[in-house]
Amino acid sequence: DAGVIQSPRHEVTEMGQEVTLRCKPISGHDYLFWYRQTMMRGLELLIYFNNNVPIDDSGMPEDRFSAKMPNASFSTLKIQPSEPRDSAVYFCASSPTGQGRNTIYFGEGSWLTVV
Amino acid sequence: QKEVEQNSGPLSVPEGAIASLNCTYSDRVSQSFFWYRQYSGKSPELIMSIYSNGDKEDGRFTAQLNKASQYVSLLIRDSQPSDSATYLCAVTSGGSYIPTFGRGTSLIVHP
Repeated sequence: DAGVIQSPRHEVTEMGQEVTLRCKPISGHDYLFWYRQTMMRGLELLIYFNNNVPIDDSGMPEDRFSAKMPNASFSTLKIQPSEPRDSAVYFCASSPTGQGRNTIYFGEGSWLTVV
Repeated sequence: QKEVEQNSGPLSVPEGAIASLNCTYSDRVSQSFFWYRQYSGKSPELIMSIYSNGDKEDGRFTAQLNKASQYVSLLIRDSQPSDSATYLCAVTSGGSYIPTFGRGTSLIVHP
């Protein structure tokens, strides 16, 4: 299995620009998660989807952040406009339902730097 | 608010020693407990899960759960330099199986 695939792996952008992060979950997984990791705050859950439907977006920091999952194999996290404090590693992850559903499989992450 | 607490470390142990990593959680109805390992610059990966009180062993790793005291620990026997990483504790509670992660403990195993 290919695992969770994220792109881009690294992005450097200027403050005010739009940033779009992309994710392909593991085939057959019904849950998709977006996390943000920083030294200061650790690993934070931003939003998660079940069967393409957003279930809990209470972790999204503000309206500048939005996430979509148009189909079972693709999701995006968008930041518009970006700010330097958004610099972090953004992980997409997926999880199956049923037995073993608690196991969360992480992608390699998207390293975002906003200057 | 559900909280999962870990000492950030770093915890430094010599090669061959036992490394003991601890995690406490606030929600008494927590049900599932996980240890993820994260190498520097990499993503977290699951190494152990435990659901009932007691010990669970997998190779050099042992997870210990004490629900009455609300703590879970991870023991790594015969520590190797390749075990040097950050270890994240994660806990699920109630009917939700969306885990809450601790901030992780950095482990350094020196030769």
